Amino acid sequence: KAGVTQTPRYLIKTRGQQVTLSCSPISGHRSVSWYQQTPGQGLQFLFEYFSETQRNKGNFPGRFSGRQFSNSRSEMNVSTLELGDSALYLCASSSARSSYNEQFFGPGTRLTVL
Amino acid sequence: AQTVTQSQPEMSVQEAETVTLSCTYDTSESNYYLFWYKQPPSRQMILVIRQEAYKQQNATENRFSVNFQKAAKSFSLKISDSQLGDTAMYFCAFTPGGSRLTFGEGTQLTVNP
Repeated sequence: KAGVTQTPRYLIKTRGQQVTLSCSPISGHRSVSWYQQTPGQGLQFLFEYFSETQRNKGNFPGRFSGRQFSNSRSEMNVSTLELGDSALYLCASSSARSSYNEQFFGPGTRLTVL
Repeated sequence: AQTVTQSQPEMSVQEAETVTLSCTYDTSESNYYLFWYKQPPSRQMILVIRQEAYKQQNATENRFSVNFQKAAKSFSLKISDSQLGDTAMYFCAFTPGGSRLTFGEGTQLTVNP
């Protein structure tokens, strides 16, 4: 099976712009979670989507949003970018069939905000 | 709210030796799951080992083993016969169930030849 893929791998934007990141989960996985990784804050949970519905949400402002499509692919959007949004954004998928859900991570999208 | 703490920002070990990475956590949940993830320079997060809190036996995966002390809320990772490819950032992670993981700050492990 192919692993989790994320596009693009690298992105440079300027303050005030918006950005959309994409994540394709492992085939058959219905849950997609997003994490932000920064040197200062570490790894923080953004949100989880399952069957096109947001199931869980972290403590991020409303500028961060996401969605999931019927094929389980997910996108996250950040509007009105700030310098502090520069980070590695990781996507993880799981089958969500067991009481714990092993997360399989993608390679990440490195976002730089200038 | 759950918290995960890794008190060792950096560690180093000689090739073929053994090293232990520390992790403590705080939760009021009675059942939960603990993980160690490895993030090499490629940034790809890789699951190293997992432990279910209701299992008293410590998990083992080849050269990797854990020391799970539920009462002390401690979950350390032991790497035996360290290899150069073990050089990476290691994250301890917690979940009470479901997909949401809470991560520790990470420990940068360097294996020296």
